[in-house]
Amino acid sequence: GAVVSQHPSWVICKSGTSVKIECRSLDFQATTMFWYRQFPKQSLMLMATSNEGSKATYEQGVEKDKFLINHASLTLSTLTVTSAHPEDSSFYICSASPGGFWNQPQHFGDGTRLSIL
Amino acid sequence: QQQVKQSPQSLIVQKGGISIINCAYENTAFDYFPWYQQFPGKGPALLIAIRPDVSEKKEGRFTISFNKSAKQFSLHIMDSQPGDSATYFCAARFAQGGSEKLVFGKGTKLTVNP
Repeated sequence: GAVVSQHPSWVICKSGTSVKIECRSLDFQATTMFWYRQFPKQSLMLMATSNEGSKATYEQGVEKDKFLINHASLTLSTLTVTSAHPEDSSFYICSASPGGFWNQPQHFGDGTRLSIL
Repeated sequence: QQQVKQSPQSLIVQKGGISIINCAYENTAFDYFPWYQQFPGKGPALLIAIRPDVSEKKEGRFTISFNKSAKQFSLHIMDSQPGDSATYFCAARFAQGGSEKLVFGKGTKLTVNP
């Protein structure tokens, strides 16, 4: 089955630092990758959609300068949380889609738990 | 309306019982309806999915029933096991401008008692 790998799985850092999270599709080429944020006991909230080689599309209310997304290849997308603050602490999950239509669902990584002290 | 309403919020079932989770939507532009299972600290894993031109899909103990006219779909877990205890999310996909989006329900926390 389609595998999406996310790294790191857990990161703790001081307020003001920047954190980079990687998302890789291991066995398929992902034309589109998605970044979600999930608060405890809540649903997934889409932050942005990235297509390989183009700028990411951010959802309303998501600060594009705070959450930098790069999708440089068909197997790798990165999310950088810049100048992170405690309110950025959350569970960040990426997903990838092989593209096309019908029977091409999004496959999710195992998430990154980000804790900002 | 880009919403998917999911119920119940939590569900407790005895081992061997049937777990039923319901979802409803308004937007007829949704074209694909996946269900995801999420364990604590993990990302959602695709469980089963259905297209709107199909009324039912079964994979092992998991069945999706889809009622297009009522704009409702449900997940049935037969012979529920303690290992099924997790949070389940229904979702609906729509395509927009060459891309796609998944809209998630709020989730159902399933507990299967031994």
